[in-house]
Amino acid sequence: GAVVSQHPSRVICKSGTSVKIECRSLDFQATTMFWYRQFPKQSLMLMATSNEGSKATYEQGVEKDKFLINHASLTLSTLTVTSAHPEDSSFYICSAHHPDFNYGYTFGSGTRLTVV
Amino acid sequence: GEDVEQSLFLSVREGDSSVINCTYTDSSSTYLYWYKQEPGAGLQLLTYIFSNMDMKQDQRLTVLLNKKDKHLSLRIADTQTGDSAIYFCAESRYSSASKIIFGSGTRLSIRP
Repeated sequence: GAVVSQHPSRVICKSGTSVKIECRSLDFQATTMFWYRQFPKQSLMLMATSNEGSKATYEQGVEKDKFLINHASLTLSTLTVTSAHPEDSSFYICSAHHPDFNYGYTFGSGTRLTVV
Repeated sequence: GEDVEQSLFLSVREGDSSVINCTYTDSSSTYLYWYKQEPGAGLQLLTYIFSNMDMKQDQRLTVLLNKKDKHLSLRIADTQTGDSAIYFCAESRYSSASKIIFGSGTRLSIRP
């Protein structure tokens, strides 16, 4: 199969704190993972491409110091929202591309972040 | 640039066919996808089609691609209440490492 596990599924944090979201490919290796943000009733907005062993590639308008991405192994990428503010509240989804193309891009179940 | 567009809403009667349409602008698109998202969940790949294909059928799902017009459609036969979800059209250029661009999503609702 092609399973991407994302944790936590839901998190509430106080303004000014940092939150780490994990994305794991459980049964395959992923040299590239993707992080998306989804606002209510809107599409997925690509934030960055996470590359194993190298720096992430951020999309235009995404603050790299705000959204830290680390892809230290072939099965794990993390997104850390630093000094979170209420406007960072959103649904964050990660994705990885399975080597067997029949599985395509597999998505995690998402993380609902609420900053209070 | 890359742009993928879909209508926002579709309502169909249970048992009828649903047709969700999508247009894209990137002529270099190699792979086109349909994903399903249920409330509060991640995305589930329904099907995909290569740009050199015109049609692909998988059980109740039929994908039609008009590459000349850059138009993609998803037909769901015998629509059921469990098909209620948001359906995203997406495109990418290569099979790996390339970013995938999503449309706005079409919310499919089923009426009895």
